[in-house]
Amino acid sequence: AQTVTQSQPEMSVQEAETVTLSCTYDTSESNYYLFWYKQPPSRQMILVIRQEAYKQQNATENRFSVNFQKAAKSFSLKISDSQLGDTAMYFCAFMNPWSGGGADGLTFGKGTHLIIQP
Amino acid sequence: GAVVSQHPSWVICKSGTSVKIECRSLDFQATTMFWYRQFPKQSLMLMATSNEGSKATYEQGVEKDKFLINHASLTLSTLTVTSAHPEDSSFYICSAPPGTSGNNEQFFGPGTRLTVL
Repeated sequence: AQTVTQSQPEMSVQEAETVTLSCTYDTSESNYYLFWYKQPPSRQMILVIRQEAYKQQNATENRFSVNFQKAAKSFSLKISDSQLGDTAMYFCAFMNPWSGGGADGLTFGKGTHLIIQP
Repeated sequence: GAVVSQHPSWVICKSGTSVKIECRSLDFQATTMFWYRQFPKQSLMLMATSNEGSKATYEQGVEKDKFLINHASLTLSTLTVTSAHPEDSSFYICSAPPGTSGNNEQFFGPGTRLTVL
């Protein structure tokens, strides 16, 4: 079974600063998918960024980028030029790839509450 | 992106009654849907996988007789909490990957807050 660990329960930074959220995971699989989800106070889960394990290049989406270290099983999220609207819970998640039986559910870390201060 | 809805968004019920929660994919078909539970200030925990046309598969520790899942069509899965008790009070979220999606993205519903008195 996979495990996902987020060691930072809460982080607080000033607006416009850069912040990095950490995530480590454990799996015996060689191919898998990693995600960062944002959950604002509305509790709607929003996909921030996705990384396929077979891709060496780190994924980027505008102000969001990841540092994927496959050997170290580390998947950190960097948020540049942080904005007040980035305040939310951030969850790191793991998923096995699609198999003949279909999709797998996600395994989530415990989350990091990110607070952006004005 | 694809849209997943849940109904109701919140429900309050008395202990011992049953509650049904619906999860619908509005603009795509989903042969598989997932149900998660999230307690206050905690993470999402996968409860079960709902499969259209076959039985649901439950995660270890989840009582299948208490949490009944029916995947009635390619756009609808229901979760029924039977004989609900206060400890079942939680936030229930469903997700669905479109069809046989190659990008492996899952779309989440807005969640249902269940309060059992």
